[in-house]
Parts: sequence; C-alpha cells; structure tokens
Amino acid sequence: NAGVTQTPKFRVLKTGQSMTLLCAQDMNHEYMYWYRQDPGMGLRLIHYSVGEGTTAKGEVPDGYNVSRLKKQNFLLGLESAAPSQTSVYFCATAGGEETQYFGPGTRLLVL
Amino acid sequence: GQSLEQPSEVTAVEGAIVQINCTYQTSGFYGLSWYQQHDGGAPTFLSYNALDGLEETGRFSSFLSRSDSYGYLLLQELQMKDSASYFCALTNDYKLSFGAGTTVTVRA
Repeated sequence: NAGVTQTPKFRVLKTGQSMTLLCAQDMNHEYMYWYRQDPGMGLRLIHYSVGEGTTAKGEVPDGYNVSRLKKQNFLLGLESAAPSQTSVYFCATAGGEETQYFGPGTRLLVL
Repeated sequence: GQSLEQPSEVTAVEGAIVQINCTYQTSGFYGLSWYQQHDGGAPTFLSYNALDGLEETGRFSSFLSRSDSYGYLLLQELQMKDSASYFCALTNDYKLSFGAGTTVTVRA
C-alpha cells in the first residue's frame, strides 16, 4: 500500500500561472486535508473534505480551490499563482479523530 | 479561534530527557496531538490525549491537563534520530490546529 501520495514533488511557477496538486490515498479514509507549511510556522489548513463530493474552507483558503470528485483523490488548485504561495504543501487523510496521515509534500516556488 | 504556544528550540545530549510544553487557548477541542517532523519530511503522528493524564508509547509520553490548558511531550533516552521538529495540535471536528513547532537538537 502506498498510503498517501502527492504529485508533483516539486514545481516552479511564474506569477499568474495556474497549477493543480494531486493527492491520492489508498487507505479508504473519509477525511482529506490540504495544509501549507512556511518556515518557522506550523502547518496551516487550507481546505478539507469530509467525504466524496464535499469540500470546506480551512484557516487560509484564499487563492486556492479544491475538488473531491472521487473518495481517493483530493485536488488543490491555484488559479493565479502569487509569490506569497511559495510554500511546502502537505496533503493528509484521516479515518477518525485521533490520527492524520501525511503525504511526502510538494515544494512550490512561485517567481 | 485557537492558539498554541510551544518553545521554538530545545537542545539536549544523547540519553537525556526532554520535555516540550504546549499551552493553548481554545473554546473547545476533542484532544491534543503530537507530531514529529524530520527535516524535509512529512509530519508523522506520535501521540494523542483525549483525556487528562499521561499516555505512554515507548520512549515517548504525552500529558494533558484541560484545567490548566496545558500539555507536554516527554522524550526519554534521547537518541540522535530524535533530532526533529515536534508539533502540538488541537483536534476539533476532525481538524487540526498546529503550534509553530519545537526544534529538538540532540548532541552526542
């Protein structure tokens, strides 16, 4: 089992470009999350999903959109990238309240 | 909203014991979690306290006191591989709110 995977691992964008980050899980978890992590800070929740077809805003949702068309996939979109979106993005899944399982991360640089 | 405070850095020698404190402000939560993150890696779950008291998992223990809005992670018999960042996080409605993290450096 792969657990939680993220695609791509690293990307460089120019300001104004768009891209989609893919998170895939084979753990059959209902809950999926997108976080960003910046130097010296903890992880901040961007958007999350409590099941297939649902999405909800987290702490820092501006500039991002998400979709959960299939239970195993959670997509994070940047419609018009800005340098402030340079960060490391982590996807996570959970089957219950206690534990979240994180993917390896995507490093995004916006020039 | 929720806020969590933890020390930014801790340094200790191999074999020592380290306690990472976490104080929080919140209107309500289900539990307090701890995650470990090695440099360049993904956060991994260490421990969860839903109730007040001590939870022990091998060399790591975690404690929660709801009345004091306080918790801690205790790392015993420190090893070089324990050098990492440690995050406390409040759990509420299946969402996590993280502290800024404590970088633990273990010296030989």
